[in-house]
Amino acid sequence: DAMVIQNPRYQVTQFGKPVTLSCSQTLNHNVMYWYQQKSSQAPKLLFHYYDKDFNNEADTPDNFQSRRPNTSFCFLDIRSPGLGDAAMYLCATSRDPLETQYFGPGTRLLVL
Amino acid sequence: DAKTTQPTSMDCAEGRAANLPCNHSTISGNEYVYWYRQIHSQGPQYIIHGLKNNETNEMASLIITEDRKSSTLILPHATLRDTAVYYCIVRPPSGDKLIFGTGTRLQVFP
Repeated sequence: DAMVIQNPRYQVTQFGKPVTLSCSQTLNHNVMYWYQQKSSQAPKLLFHYYDKDFNNEADTPDNFQSRRPNTSFCFLDIRSPGLGDAAMYLCATSRDPLETQYFGPGTRLLVL
Repeated sequence: DAKTTQPTSMDCAEGRAANLPCNHSTISGNEYVYWYRQIHSQGPQYIIHGLKNNETNEMASLIITEDRKSSTLILPHATLRDTAVYYCIVRPPSGDKLIFGTGTRLQVFP
């Protein structure tokens, strides 16, 4: 089945140690999104790629970066994780920006 | 973007219909109503969306009032696996992001 894959499901990192989360998709969708969801809160968009064009949300901290080396993969890099960055990170895809978004299972990040 | 208002929580007996309301009184004529749900510790799952007409798929039905100021998601025969947070989202046609509200926590009990 075509899907959005996130690995690992759980990631532990140390305070200040760079960490990369990965997302891949078999849907061949043009758009890939990264959302952050903190405990007991709703998901919040960090940024997205439309093909190779990167679109950052205005309030996304500089600590968060993203790379999309090809259609199938997209990475979320957190340069210096703080305790407040502990959250579920959700990847989603859509065929184009105006169409339905489909989410992966998420990666839960723990910062020690 | 139009805001949505949903009850914080609801209960439903297994096998019965679950009717989840959503108010979106400031919706514009070209904004879609989307429903997603999120089962604990999983990613949001798309359920259904609509503009003006009622919609039905294998998961649920979406009833949108004539003035479009509110809608109801109907799960016709709720099961324990339908226990989740249900998000109603109003999305403009030019909107490239989903703005999630607080959602409704649906608890299906035996």
